[in-house]
Amino acid sequence: KNEVEQSPQNLTAQEGEFITINCSYSVGISALHWLQQHPGGGIVSLFMLSSGKKKHGRLIATINIQEKHSSLHITASHPRDSAVYICAVSPPYNTDKLIFGTGTRLQVFP
Amino acid sequence: EAQVTQNPRYLITVTGKKLTVTCSQNMNHEYMSWYRQDPGLGLRQIYYSMNVEVTDKGDVPEGYKVSRKEKRNFPLILESPSPNQTSLYFCASSFRRGRMGETQYFGPGTRLLVL
Repeated sequence: KNEVEQSPQNLTAQEGEFITINCSYSVGISALHWLQQHPGGGIVSLFMLSSGKKKHGRLIATINIQEKHSSLHITASHPRDSAVYICAVSPPYNTDKLIFGTGTRLQVFP
Repeated sequence: EAQVTQNPRYLITVTGKKLTVTCSQNMNHEYMSWYRQDPGLGLRQIYYSMNVEVTDKGDVPEGYKVSRKEKRNFPLILESPSPNQTSLYFCASSFRRGRMGETQYFGPGTRLLVL
C-alpha cells in the first residue's frame, strides 16, 4: 500500500464547478504539500501546510492531522485549472524529503 | 528571475552511452534533489544533497551518480544508461531553515529515452 493515496485518479468537470481532490497518508508527517503539474510537464508548488487551512485565490487546502487527510478545493473551476495535482508529505525524520502520491488528473471543460 | 534550470530538456540516447543531465539553481538553496517520474508510479527520489559535498541516496539510486561541488549545481550522471532509465527527470531545490521543511522549486524536467 502506498504511503500517500490520492482520490480520485481522474476527474472531469464543467467550467464553474467546485472541485475537491483528496489525499490520505499513513505515515507521520512534518508537512503536507500540494503541487500542480501542467500539461507541458512543469511542476509548481501550490501549498505547504502542517495544520488548518490555507487559501490562495480560488484554491483552498485543508488538513486534518488526526485523520491523516488533506483536501484541495478549487472554486469556480476554469479550463486553465486542467492539470495533474500531486499530494506529497514530508516525514519528521527528514523534513526535506518528499513522499509523493501518484496524482489526480483534472480536466475542466468549457 | 529565481529558477531551477535543467539541460538538456529532451534526450534520446543508446544503451551504455554515458550522459549527464545538468541542474542549476540561482536561489542559494542548500537542498537539491533529483526525482524521476514514471506512469503509475509517480515521482520518486533518486539522490539528494543537503549542501556542498553532502549527497545521499534516495529511494531509487541504482544506476545513477551525483556530485555537489558547488552550491548552485547538482548534475545527474548515468554512467551506463539502460532502457529502464527511460523516464521524465526533475531537479528541485529548497532552503533548509524550517523545522517543517520548505517549499521545493522544480526544474522544467528532462525527458530521457534510452534505446
